[in-house]
Amino acid sequence: EEQLVESGGGLVQPGGSLRLSCVASGFTFSTYAMHWVRQAPGKGLEFVSTISSNGGSTYYANSVKGRFTISRDNSKNTLYLQMGSLRPEDMAVYYCARDEVAAKGGAFDIWGQGTEVVVSS
Amino acid sequence: DIVMTQSPDSLAVSLGERATINCKSSQSVLYNSKSKNSLAWYQLKPRQPPRLLIYWTSTRESGVPDRFSGSGSGTDFTLTISSLQAEDVAVYYCQQYYSTPWTFGQGTKVEIK
Repeated sequence: EEQLVESGGGLVQPGGSLRLSCVASGFTFSTYAMHWVRQAPGKGLEFVSTISSNGGSTYYANSVKGRFTISRDNSKNTLYLQMGSLRPEDMAVYYCARDEVAAKGGAFDIWGQGTEVVVSS
Repeated sequence: DIVMTQSPDSLAVSLGERATINCKSSQSVLYNSKSKNSLAWYQLKPRQPPRLLIYWTSTRESGVPDRFSGSGSGTDFTLTISSLQAEDVAVYYCQQYYSTPWTFGQGTKVEIK
């Protein structure tokens, strides 16, 4: 079964840091671009960051640029999101998602169950 | 950035009736080399991850019931649930994956009347 499992969420103070992880299984992780998407309480889905299949290319939403870093370790089938200088508005459920560009043009076809980040003092 | 605008924000439909959700993009999302629009629909239920329903505007994802259908072209797109079932209560989002940053609509909440 193709699966993504996130971890690393929790309570952090404003200005603090947190690293999220997303472990993939059931598919060849190294051949897919990956994304982070978040949903703040009572809000809609918001794209956060993207990384290419080999990690050589990344992209960030303006709201997190310069504070968050996306990376991956294909040998461990793991995607990461290093979050720094956290703000209350970063509080959200963070999802990792697979980019299926070959057959679906880039639609996000597999999603993890999400990990919650709470930013509060 | 491409802005995606959904309407309505919420709708209540009787069981077995049709639900229609609209999505408008601020510019074309036509992927010329495939003559397809890079437009997807997702379903989000409480305490569950988003689920891809439709991609390329109208292609149903594997396992998605055929009561879900997508249509549209240019900058106007529609998700239709032909006969609403209780398990379809959710928030639905359109998304363009034509250009970065990938953007979502604000969501449409579907409830039972």
